[in-house]
Amino acid sequence: SQQGEEDPQALSIQEGENATMNCSYKTSINNLQWYRQNSGRGLVHLILIRSNEREKHSGRLRVTLDTSKKSSSLLITASRAADTASYFCDGGTSYGKLTFGQGTILTVHP
Amino acid sequence: DTAVSQTPKYLVTQMGNDKSIKCEQNLGHDTMYWYKQDSKKFLKIMFSYNNKELIINETVPNRFSPKSPDKAHLNLHINSLELGDSAVYFCASSQGAGGTEAFFGQGTRLTVV
Repeated sequence: SQQGEEDPQALSIQEGENATMNCSYKTSINNLQWYRQNSGRGLVHLILIRSNEREKHSGRLRVTLDTSKKSSSLLITASRAADTASYFCDGGTSYGKLTFGQGTILTVHP
Repeated sequence: DTAVSQTPKYLVTQMGNDKSIKCEQNLGHDTMYWYKQDSKKFLKIMFSYNNKELIINETVPNRFSPKSPDKAHLNLHINSLELGDSAVYFCASSQGAGGTEAFFGQGTRLTVV
């Protein structure tokens, strides 16, 4: 079973708009990570938020974590066409593996 | 220098054949992984190794056999390929076994015909 499950499955926006995607997980976590996958490529690490943090920023990325709701959100501000990709989350609780959902497919139209 | 490199990038082969995918990381990480991504984009862990020792074998058919000759390499050998093995296979590595940043290879697209 997936530890991280992303929603929505797909998101389509115009360049300049903000994109928000969500991640829910089942069991307690030590940290939570977000990854991006461009078409035909491997996953690239974006940001890690620890279980004792509530919000973290990195450039145009803002991640929040609500451990009481077992959920996280990734906000990409002022989106660009180059942000078009699939986004995955992993709740870092399992020894020996990262566990992803199906991802959110983000399409940013120029 | 590519941090995690896997070869080949594309592999087309007939049912019943045996094939290998190689993976190397130059990051000095102690943990390496193999993931399978199906057509619906689910990424499923297959194996992980920590310091050359198998730590995760996620109900993968025994036609799949990973081999880690050293910490920097984790190869995947597949016997008697089946149509359902067609997928993209990703190798990854991290320092520490889970919960830390992982670096992924570019993937190997396997097509079994």
